[in-house]
Amino acid sequence: GQNIDQPTEMTATEGAIVQINCTYQTSGFNGLFWYQQHAGEAPTFLSYNVLDGLEEKGRFSSFLSRSKGYSYLLLKELQMKDSASYLCAVRDHGSGTYKYIFGTGTRLKVLA
Amino acid sequence: DGGITQSPKYLFRKEGQNVTLSCEQNLNHDAMYWYRQDPGQGLRLIYYSQIVNDFQKGDIAEGYSVSREKKESFPLTVTSAQKNPTAFYLCASSNARSSYNSPLHFGNGTRLTVT
Repeated sequence: GQNIDQPTEMTATEGAIVQINCTYQTSGFNGLFWYQQHAGEAPTFLSYNVLDGLEEKGRFSSFLSRSKGYSYLLLKELQMKDSASYLCAVRDHGSGTYKYIFGTGTRLKVLA
Repeated sequence: DGGITQSPKYLFRKEGQNVTLSCEQNLNHDAMYWYRQDPGQGLRLIYYSQIVNDFQKGDIAEGYSVSREKKESFPLTVTSAQKNPTAFYLCASSNARSSYNSPLHFGNGTRLTVT
C-alpha cells in the first residue's frame, strides 16, 4: 500500500530555520513533491526530488533519501507569509499510471 | 496564460441532488486528477485520467463519477450516493508522461456545501 506521514503542526519564529519531515512507503516511487497551501487556496508547487540529495531553491531546500523513504523541506529566514500548510506528495508509477499521493500536510505557524 | 479553470468557486446544493463540478485546462496536459480536501486533512484522490476516454478510480471514488471526452475537460459529478459531499474539491493536471519532473498544477478549487 501507500502511506505518507508528516507532523501535523509546527511553530517557528520569524527569521529562524525550520525542517519539515516526510516519510513515505510506496511500491512504484517516481518522485517526491512539496507544495505550499495557504488557507482556502489551492496548493502551489515548491520543489521536486527524484534522486537522492538536496535541491536548493532560494530560501527553500528539499532533501530525499530513497533508501530510507524520507524527505524533508527546509525553510530558511522564515517570514510571516510562510505561515501555511506544507504538503508532501509522492508520485507513484506502480500500475502503469501516474498517481500523486498526498500526506495530511504540516501546518506551520510563524511567530513574530 | 495557460492554467486550470474550476467553476464555480462556491456551490450550494440540497441533499439528494447530483451536482457536476467543471474543470478545464489549456496546458495541453495528458493527465487530469480530482482531489477532495476536508478541514485539517490532506488531499485524497477521487479519480484520475491519463488519456482521453480512460480514467481510473482513486482512493475514495464511491459516490462520484467522471468523464474524459476531451483532453481539456474532466468534469466530476458528485452523486446523491456520496455520504459526506461537503468539501473543497481540487482539480489538477500534469504532463508526467512526457516531462518526468512535471508537478501537479492545480485549479483554484470549488467549495461544495450540501445541506
